[in-house]
Amino acid sequence: QQQVKQSPQSLIVQKGGISIINCAYENTAFDYFPWYQQFPGKGPALLIAIRPDVSEKKEGRFTISFNKSAKQFSLHIMDSQPGDSATYFCAPGGSQGNLIFGKGTKLSVKP
Amino acid sequence: DSGVTQTPKHLITATGQRVTLRCSPRSGDLSVYWYQQSLDQGLQFLIQYYNGEERAKGNILERFSAQQFPDLHSELNLSSLELGDSALYFCASSFTAEETQYFGPGTRLLVL
Repeated sequence: QQQVKQSPQSLIVQKGGISIINCAYENTAFDYFPWYQQFPGKGPALLIAIRPDVSEKKEGRFTISFNKSAKQFSLHIMDSQPGDSATYFCAPGGSQGNLIFGKGTKLSVKP
Repeated sequence: DSGVTQTPKHLITATGQRVTLRCSPRSGDLSVYWYQQSLDQGLQFLIQYYNGEERAKGNILERFSAQQFPDLHSELNLSSLELGDSALYFCASSFTAEETQYFGPGTRLLVL
């Protein structure tokens, strides 16, 4: 079953542009909505996360938006930099803690 | 550096063999999670332990088993290995199930 759908699969953005990645989920029991960043050869690292009691959270250049009724959340990267080039995963989770990862979005930021 | 350590970094073995992957969680973390990352299946949750007890199971094959020891380190045992088991295996840890999961650097397994 595909509980989590992430789009796009890949994204090319110019330096200074805005990167937007979307995630749709089915399980209404999810109550934790993180985005993870993974560089080649490394483990995923938490970038930003949101709980369903708020609709938006901003940390520096990274913003997560959450739409509970649509069962969607998204990651916005403002002023994208070449160093942001990585694979990004949405990974919603429930009270037990295990995360359900999307298929990933490979972001390339061109200088 | 997440504070989660995994050994070995790389493992090459043959079909039918058995291997053990080891994970040491961050200091103070009680929960340990195992994930498998492959090109076709993506990142999949395998199993979770909390303070020595199994807490949740995901898409873990019967040929695979895990345990968490009293010192909180965990081992993932993979037996009767098949070519399709070749993947990156990640361990993650968190203080409780509701806290952020920190991932280790992974063990790359190649089954020939």
